[in-house]
Amino acid sequence: QSVLTQPPSASGTPGQRVDISCSGSSSNIGSNPVNWYQQVPGTAPKLLIYNNNRRPSGVPARFSGSKSGTSASLAISGLQSEDEADYYCSTWDDSLPMGVFGGGTKLTVL
Amino acid sequence: EVQMVESGGGLVKPGGSLRLSCAASGFTFSHFRMNWVRQAPGKGLEWVSSIISSSSYIYYADSVKGRFTISRDNAKDSLYLQMDSLRAEDTAVYYCTRTGVYLGNAFDVWGQGTMVTVSS
Repeated sequence: QSVLTQPPSASGTPGQRVDISCSGSSSNIGSNPVNWYQQVPGTAPKLLIYNNNRRPSGVPARFSGSKSGTSASLAISGLQSEDEADYYCSTWDDSLPMGVFGGGTKLTVL
Repeated sequence: EVQMVESGGGLVKPGGSLRLSCAASGFTFSHFRMNWVRQAPGKGLEWVSSIISSSSYIYYADSVKGRFTISRDNAKDSLYLQMDSLRAEDTAVYYCTRTGVYLGNAFDVWGQGTMVTVSS
């Protein structure tokens, strides 16, 4: 299983807010910034959030990230149908040492 | 335009070898840490390997250590992944990614991926 733990699925209706959690340990999330990626099936992943809560140019403000201790969270407000995708958290693990991903969360917009 | 294009994927028998290439353009390749990330069919993302700009530091996932070798040629703006002793579980789309400067450890640019299938 993955070093970082995410819920396998999440869902919401248009306009709602959805939160996706990512749990790790002191050697990964507790020591390094967390990043989030969005992947629409059949396409390459896209960077959504970096350094815990920063958005790359072009990413809507509806997407936000946070981190506390050994856990992180991605929030999507004002849910839209095009947000339906897989979401992955990721960081570096100092003890391994290697990059680590969460198992991914499939977001369904009902 | 910042771009990375992978090549070299294909069908290979268990125990065989394959060399993936990633051609970068639109940015100063030699300034960036580069990585390989893979995704098995229907599965999540898995970090495979990273190499810093000077090639002085290289890291591998335990699942590929001793079998895969990452390298780069800054003069050719290219990243490589030599894959030996391939196993069925190495079947995946392999993505070339760039670690953004001032973005911590985030992969800010991804290639389109190249498919590797290990099967007899």
